[in-house]
Amino acid sequence: NAGVMQNPRHLVRRRGQEARLRCSPMKGHSHVYWYRQLPEEGLKFMVYLQKENIIDESGMPKERFSAEFPKEGPSILRIQQVVRGDSAAYFCASSPQAGWTGELFFGEGSRLTVL
Amino acid sequence: AQTVTQSQPEMSVQEAETVTLSCTYDTSESDYYLFWYKQPPSRQMILVIRQEAYKQQNATENRFSVNFQKAAKSFSLKISDSQLGDAAMYFCAYRSVGSNAGKSTFGDGTTLTVKP
Repeated sequence: NAGVMQNPRHLVRRRGQEARLRCSPMKGHSHVYWYRQLPEEGLKFMVYLQKENIIDESGMPKERFSAEFPKEGPSILRIQQVVRGDSAAYFCASSPQAGWTGELFFGEGSRLTVL
Repeated sequence: AQTVTQSQPEMSVQEAETVTLSCTYDTSESDYYLFWYKQPPSRQMILVIRQEAYKQQNATENRFSVNFQKAAKSFSLKISDSQLGDAAMYFCAYRSVGSNAGKSTFGDGTTLTVKP
């Protein structure tokens, strides 16, 4: 499958635990975007990364959230000390290059449930 | 910052009929791209149609077409001959170009129901 791969598809955590969501972009893509979708709402931008570099993190909460996209391996969105309000679907998208004006290519999302 | 507004949380259409989904946006940029994405119940977002702001001609893709009104900052999606498989959530999105190209800004979506 050459598409954007996200895992896990479903993740359940208790309050205070850590959640790690992974995203492997499409083959040949070096730019990754993370979006959050709360129930019955649209997609809210979180962070835009290039390999080994954060381009735009204007949508990331100031605390508990971090993202990385290492030289090797998938992009990871990390949420520390999760709270119930973090329950949402987290979508990853990728694009092939800087200045790309085409569409974003999305994964199927990771649904986080915080108990 | 750019904003995208979809004023119709829900729409319904009879199979084989035509439906129009509304989208307005706010920007100070003169060049940009606009998109409509579809999110079916399987939840993976897929592109429906794309419009370059510098093009006056409205984009079309088979049964899908847009009405792009740049001055009014309006970008509506028309679905003709609606099919059951068109049932999904539809998102309008804005994307800057050039050095500002990066994230896309999405509206809150319109849930489309297709009645047989």
